[in-house]
Amino acid sequence: GAVVSQHPSRVICKSGTSVKIECRSLDFQATTMFWYRQFPKQSLMLMATSNEGSKATYEQGVEKDKFLINHASLTLSTLTVTSAHPEDSSFYICSASLIGVNTEAFFGQGTRLTVV
Amino acid sequence: KQEVTQIPAALSVPEGENLVLNCSFTDSAIYNLQWFRQDPGKGLTSLLLIQSSQREQTSGRLNASLDKSSGRSTLYIAASQPGDSATYLCAVPNSGGSNYKLTFGKGTLLTVNP
Repeated sequence: GAVVSQHPSRVICKSGTSVKIECRSLDFQATTMFWYRQFPKQSLMLMATSNEGSKATYEQGVEKDKFLINHASLTLSTLTVTSAHPEDSSFYICSASLIGVNTEAFFGQGTRLTVV
Repeated sequence: KQEVTQIPAALSVPEGENLVLNCSFTDSAIYNLQWFRQDPGKGLTSLLLIQSSQREQTSGRLNASLDKSSGRSTLYIAASQPGDSATYLCAVPNSGGSNYKLTFGKGTLLTVNP
C-alpha cells in the first residue's frame, strides 16, 4: 500500500511554544490530506482537511489560529500547534488516500505531543 | 450525523481461537467501510477496505463482511495469535469520491494470550 510518513513521532514542548508536525506522502501525490486527533482510549476525531494550494477546512470547534495547517506541495502537509498548552497534549495523526473513487485511506505513524 | 459503534470495547482470548469484532453505523448510505489496526502509541494500519457493493473481503486470516442495509460490519479473525493483539478500528467515509473524511468507532482492544 501507499506510504504516509509523519514526523516527529514524539515531541515534548514547554507551554507557550509552537510545535510543527509534518505529514508526507512518500510514493504518491495527495491534493488533500486530513489531520486527526486522538485522546487516550477515544476514537480519532477529524480536526481539519488540508488542501494543497488553498486554505484548510476546519471542523466545528477546532481553532484555526491554534492549529495552523499548510499544504504547500502535493506530498507535504504541516500542522503547527501554536502557543501550546497542556490540554493540547494528544496523539495527532494525518492521512491521505490515492486519487480515485472510494480508495483506501493511509495513515501516518502519528505524533505524540506532550506539553509541559 | 454518522455514528460508528464497536462492540465489544475489549476482548481477551486464548491463542488459537477464532473471534468476531462488530461494527455498526447509523447512516447506511456509505460508500465503503475500512478496518484498521492500531498498536499502542502507533498510527493506523489499513487491514481491509470493503466497497458498498461488496459483501465481504478477505486477507489471510482476516475476513470482513458488510451488511449495508442493516448498518453492520464484522471482522472475523481466524486462529488468533499473540501478534494480533492490538486495537481494531472501523471507519466509514462521510462522502464518496477521493480523499474523504472518515468517522471512526472507538475501537475494540484485542488481547490474545499465549
